[in-house]
This record gives sequence, C-alpha cells and structure tokens, in this order.
Amino acid sequence: DSGVTQTPKHLITATGQRVTLRCSPRSGDLSVYWYQQSLDQGLQFLIQYYNGEERAKGNILERFSAQQFPDLHSELNLSSLELGDSALYFCASSEDGRETQYFGPGTRLLVL
Amino acid sequence: GENVEQHPSTLSVQEGDSAVIKCTYSDSASNYFPWYKQELGKRPQLIIDIRSNVGEKKDQRIAVTLNKTAKHFSLHITETQPEDSAVYFCAARNSHSGGSNYKLTFGKGTLLTVNP
Repeated sequence: DSGVTQTPKHLITATGQRVTLRCSPRSGDLSVYWYQQSLDQGLQFLIQYYNGEERAKGNILERFSAQQFPDLHSELNLSSLELGDSALYFCASSEDGRETQYFGPGTRLLVL
Repeated sequence: GENVEQHPSTLSVQEGDSAVIKCTYSDSASNYFPWYKQELGKRPQLIIDIRSNVGEKKDQRIAVTLNKTAKHFSLHITETQPEDSAVYFCAARNSHSGGSNYKLTFGKGTLLTVNP
C-alpha cells in the first residue's frame, strides 16, 4: 500500500457524460500527478499540481480538468466522455523536493 | 519534449536466468530515471531509480545502469523468479522545469514472463 488513495475503483458511464475522479495523496505530500493508462498508449502524464497550483501539463485534453484543494486532495474531471477515454487513471504523489512518485490503485473508467 | 523508447516489448525467460530491459531517452537534460513494476490490475510500484550523477545502482537482484553519453539506461534482473513476472516501465525526468516539477515520461513497458 503506497498511502495514496483513489476513488472510485471502477466507473462505468455513457458517452457524453461527465465524471469526477478523486485522489488523496500520502500524508504530507504536496505534489499530485495524474496519469492515463491505456493499452495502446502506455502511461501518459496528464497534469501535476503542487500545493494547490498547477505546475506542469502533459497531454491533457481540453475536456479534462483538474484541481487540488487546500487539504491537498485532487480531483480529475472528465467531460463529454468518448469511447476512447476508457482507461485506467492513476494519480501519484511525491514529497516536497523529492522525485519519487508513489502511485495510487487507480480508477478504471469504462465509457459505453 | 522528452521521448523514451523501451525494448523489448515482451521478454520471456526461464526461472533463474537473467533479464535485461533497455531504454533510451532523447533529452540530454534528463537527470532522474526510475523503474516501475506493474502487476496485472495493480498500481505501478517503484523498484529502483538512478540519478544522472551515478552510473550504476544495485539492490539485491535488481540493478540499473546509466550511460549518459549514449542516453540509455537498462534494468538487469538476475536469478529471475516467477513472481518477477509483470510489466516493467522505465521513465525519465528532465531538469528543465526545475523546482517542484517532476513530470515523468514513461516508456511503453516490457511484459516479462518468467517460466518455472
């Protein structure tokens, strides 16, 4: 157990819908990272937040957004869902000033 | 941006043999190279990492080597066991952004199968 938690574990929804994925980092970690893992694309970095502020952006679609709250948990919002958004979504966290990222158990999203 | 290539995509070995997975990166400013192991349906777990000021690092049966000139790094697993079977990912982080930006770029993964 890495200490990073994610909810829900599984999510099934329909095209066009909007969902919110939640991540709680390890106690004391200020950085949260979101990754998308699909069979053909591997682990793709989406976005990083550090202490409430966006710090780095990767291949995140405009339909996706994220935020980090004062208690440091983070939410990833996916809207206007398409079939191709079906994937595993991981969040990871790291200590301030440290490079090691610890991954949560992931949320498996299935868009029908 | 950074690009990480990983080879092979699949690797099958006999129990007790060694396994080697190789990665190349494109950005010479990259300075941190972790390796993650991911079992089916589970989270990626860090197994070893190396920084650019070190050429080799070992932890029991696992070792990583880094060649900065050639921009490649490798994972070596000796005396493989069936429980080593998993997908292994290499990654790289560059220092361009500095500060608290630790964005990782991952390779596409290697499915390692250790046959008893």
